[in-house]
Amino acid sequence: DVQMTQSPSSVSASVGDRVIITCRASQDISDSLAWYQQKPGKAPKLLIYAASTLESGVPSRFSGSGSGTDFTLTISSLQPEDSATYFCQQANTFLLFTFGPGTRVDIK
Amino acid sequence: EVQLVESGGGLVRPGGSLRLSCVASGFTLSGYAMNWVRQAPGKGLEWLAYISPSRDSIYYSESLKGRITVSRDNARNSLYLQMDSLRVEDTAVYFCARRRAVGVATTYFDNWGQGTLVTVSS
Repeated sequence: DVQMTQSPSSVSASVGDRVIITCRASQDISDSLAWYQQKPGKAPKLLIYAASTLESGVPSRFSGSGSGTDFTLTISSLQPEDSATYFCQQANTFLLFTFGPGTRVDIK
Repeated sequence: EVQLVESGGGLVRPGGSLRLSCVASGFTLSGYAMNWVRQAPGKGLEWLAYISPSRDSIYYSESLKGRITVSRDNARNSLYLQMDSLRVEDTAVYFCARRRAVGVATTYFDNWGQGTLVTVSS
């Protein structure tokens, strides 16, 4: 199984701050990575796929980068509605699918 | 509008069985692979099962293989998850999720249901 790790596990930032979340895979997964946002009591929402492609309707302050084993999700200017938990996901079908443990983003 | 609605959750004793359903609307189910993902209370996401549109490819998480069976009825726009020999640690919200394919070998989850809660307790 491909193991996914994320850091930090939680972050508290002010509105307008830049927030960076990292995700690492235990083996090379090329660009087969997605990022999801989940708010309490809700289903996850796809934000970014193929490591850097923004899902339709997702604000442009979200961006993704990386390839191989190291990936990042950047929120360029944090907004109150971005308070949520963010998960990365390994998406290579032949390696099956694993999620990172999540990063909780709070607004100061 | 794409909609996925799960049902069938509830309280079950350890060792019991449950069958979850997911009804799709707003798209043609037969054109998409589907998945089940769960989330234990306060925990992260765990992928459970994948089924291709024509059922010719089915994959399971190694941790639950042998205790779960995924199936689908495209004519009824429905996806199912049969869970047997349930354990306390299977307590979770169970989501169905549609596959977004980017190329042949990748699976992203682009639409999710609201989830159904399964509680395993004596």
